[in-house]
Amino acid sequence: SQQGEEDPQALSIQEGENATMNCSYKTSINNLQWYRQNSGRGLVHLILIRSNEREKHSGRLRVTLDTSKKSSSLLITASRAADTASYFCATVGGVGGKLIFGQGTELSVKP
Amino acid sequence: SAVISQKPSRDICQRGTSLTIQCQVDSQVTMMFWYRQQPGQSLTLIATANQGSEATYESGFVIDKFPISRPNLTFSTLTVSNMSPEDSSIYLCSVDKQDRKAFFGQGTRLTVV
Repeated sequence: SQQGEEDPQALSIQEGENATMNCSYKTSINNLQWYRQNSGRGLVHLILIRSNEREKHSGRLRVTLDTSKKSSSLLITASRAADTASYFCATVGGVGGKLIFGQGTELSVKP
Repeated sequence: SAVISQKPSRDICQRGTSLTIQCQVDSQVTMMFWYRQQPGQSLTLIATANQGSEATYESGFVIDKFPISRPNLTFSTLTVSNMSPEDSSIYLCSVDKQDRKAFFGQGTRLTVV
């Protein structure tokens, strides 16, 4: 079953703008991860944030985690047309917990 | 990290037939995972494949429909049996590394006509 709810479902921006995607989940987690999927291909891992972390950066990516609100956000700064893809959050909970994916946000970056 | 070779990348199949999808990993792993992604949807875990034992299926998925083989620590197959148009999806295999960080194959886009 899906744990993560993402919003928006779709986001269209111009190149150079920032893109923010949000993810909410229901149960306690060990970590939360973000993945990118291009055109229905395999998913690529972007960034992982542990439950005791609040913010993490990787290049143009910034992830925040608020465990009290059970939510996370992914910020892509200075977006490029190549960032056009679907973005999924995924949570891992408990010992031996499975990776459970959210519904995804479809990002379109127009040149 | 892990590199996974998945094939075929796509196929169009007649209803009632079966398709076997293969995944080869560049390192030995204990568990391999098979997911289904229906059109416009997120990923749903079908089953976990362990070497030397039967696969563990998630609720809603059964071995007769999705038989899985795991002959060694670097290879697994998923068969979609007796296909119907409702089986049209992207099928993905993956492996986990530390912290359940997942690496995916390129996916198999299946269309059943």
